[in-house]
Amino acid sequence: DADVTQTPRNRITKTGKRIMLECSQTKGHDRMYWYRQDPGLGLRLIYYSFDVKDINKGEISDGYSVSRQAQAKFSLSLESAIPNQTALYFCATSERDRDTGELFFGEGSRLTVL
Amino acid sequence: GQNIDQPTEMTATEGAIVQINCTYQTSGFNGLFWYQQHAGEAPTFLSYNVLDGLEEKGRFSSFLSRSKGYSYLLLKELQMKDSASYLCAVMDSNYQLIWGAGTKLIIKP
Repeated sequence: DADVTQTPRNRITKTGKRIMLECSQTKGHDRMYWYRQDPGLGLRLIYYSFDVKDINKGEISDGYSVSRQAQAKFSLSLESAIPNQTALYFCATSERDRDTGELFFGEGSRLTVL
Repeated sequence: GQNIDQPTEMTATEGAIVQINCTYQTSGFNGLFWYQQHAGEAPTFLSYNVLDGLEEKGRFSSFLSRSKGYSYLLLKELQMKDSASYLCAVMDSNYQLIWGAGTKLIIKP
């Protein structure tokens, strides 16, 4: 089983619908992140959380919200999906205080908004 | 603004050597990362450089020059499984990762 699990892996939805992407991890890491990846662009940070009570906006948080339900769970919501939110979404984790800051990614959730 | 530049696509031959360059302009520097991403899969960590010089790890090596804002990833003895995108990322002064768009490496027999 993957250490960082995302659900759903693929989702097609319509404009205006509410969508939740879920992420759970068994690595015991404190830090969790949500990124989106678009063709021709680098990974862009949406939100990140350094522990259960800590939520921070990233580069492109508008139109998104998150919830850190537990150390192991970090969910991303699109309250009212729009077509330009069509992208590949990745959840990632990292250890606190690790020098390299290495990220461990989930397998990705491909979202299509029609 | 902050910027990471790397070539969009490169082609190399199986068994050969390829060098993928990355130049960066960021607000501060706390390390440079290389990740590998196969099509449709998650990125996986390859290397981390925070001091100038070459870090070698098997067939892969990564070089950093902080004064030039430059890094490269060197892949030796290329194998077909090395066909993937290679992502360069820099950690800035706020410990945030700034990502390049990635270099798609195509390996031909």
